[in-house]
Amino acid sequence: DAGITQSPRHKVTETGTPVTLRCHQTENHRYMYWYRQDPGHGLRLIHYSYGVKDTDKGEVSDGYSVSRSKTEDFLLTLESATSSQTSVYFCAISPTSGVNNEQFFGPGTRLTVL
Amino acid sequence: SQKIEQNSEALNIQEGKTATLTCNYTNYSPAYLQWYRQDPGRGPVFLLLIRENEKEKRKERLKVTFDTTLKQSLFHITASQPADSATYLCALRRAGSYQLTFGKGTKLSVIP
Repeated sequence: DAGITQSPRHKVTETGTPVTLRCHQTENHRYMYWYRQDPGHGLRLIHYSYGVKDTDKGEVSDGYSVSRSKTEDFLLTLESATSSQTSVYFCAISPTSGVNNEQFFGPGTRLTVL
Repeated sequence: SQKIEQNSEALNIQEGKTATLTCNYTNYSPAYLQWYRQDPGRGPVFLLLIRENEKEKRKERLKVTFDTTLKQSLFHITASQPADSATYLCALRRAGSYQLTFGKGTKLSVIP
């Protein structure tokens, strides 16, 4: 998985609790992304980062925040988890925004909010 | 609104035949189109990228075409094998954007 790890890999939590998912890369890539994948919707972008402390919103950012204090780590926080945030979350990295910005994906985190 | 559609949710094909998957888009001026493979329980894996000004790209048994007039990309796997069974995703990126927009995927099953 191209030097990308996600933690935890599985989590069950209750509605209203805060949750933080971590993405860690060893590739020194500049761009990092958080997606969620749900049946019938495919992969949807939540937030992305184009450098340390530089982040922006994606298609489905409501209820999520992110932080990137160093190149290798990109954190996704659900401030107060809801059942609609039950999903599989994927982190991705990319070396460039240029022509060949193929993205490399992590193994995913399966989150269940009860 | 912008839309990306992969026409088939599922496609079954006999081993040895050519599998053809379709990706259509509307209200979108993509610069680059990418295809990914995803196995159950795993993250997507990049396969091929094709630029707006390219008609066709090949990699081993894979071929991708891109028709900006029809707003369509076709993804072909020749001499398909059971190991090719997976979900295939197309994704579009506009020039100047960091973001990829993904289709919902087509689940391909290659039957021995």
